[in-house]
Amino acid sequence: DAGVIQSPRHEVTEMGQEVTLRCKPISGHNSLFWYRQTMMRGLELLIYFNNNVPIDDSGMPEDRFSAKMPNASFSTLKIQPSEPRDSAVYFCASSPDRADVLGQYFGPGTRLTVT
Amino acid sequence: GENVEQHPSTLSVQEGDSAVIKCTYSDSASNYFPWYKQELGKRPQLIIDIRSNVGEKKDQRIAVTLNKTAKHFSLHITETQPEDSAVYFCAANQAGTALIFGKGTTLSVSS
Repeated sequence: DAGVIQSPRHEVTEMGQEVTLRCKPISGHNSLFWYRQTMMRGLELLIYFNNNVPIDDSGMPEDRFSAKMPNASFSTLKIQPSEPRDSAVYFCASSPDRADVLGQYFGPGTRLTVT
Repeated sequence: GENVEQHPSTLSVQEGDSAVIKCTYSDSASNYFPWYKQELGKRPQLIIDIRSNVGEKKDQRIAVTLNKTAKHFSLHITETQPEDSAVYFCAANQAGTALIFGKGTTLSVSS
């Protein structure tokens, strides 16, 4: 199994531009999570999908952030317009059904830099 | 919602010593407590987990203990080695909810 796949691995963009991060969960996993990691705030949950349906999006910072999961094998996190304070590493993670069944597996992350 | 506190934020030990990292959680309904290790520039990786029906679990040099009454759980690493140097995260959740992570502990093992 290839594990959770994220693209791009690195993204550098200018303030105001739209950014789209992509994630392919492990095949057969029903839950997908987007996290943001910074030195100041640690690992923050942004949004959680189960069976392609958003379950908890209370961590999405503001309306500039949106996430979709059109099917079981693909999700996107979009930031429009981007701001320098959005610079962080964004992780996608998936789990078989619930995160407490067999743990949660992280992708390699996307390092976003907004100048 | 759940809130997870983790201490200490940094920990320095000599090779061969033991290291202990402690976490507390707020939601008494939480029943799953994993620990993740994150090396510099890499993704968090699950190293051990414990469920609420178990008080202690061991895997070679690492062990986790859980006190549900006090709502705290701990990671114990014995005979530390330089390759144990990393950031360690605790987390907690209950069925059907996402994991909530502590802020992390940076462990440095010097030889």
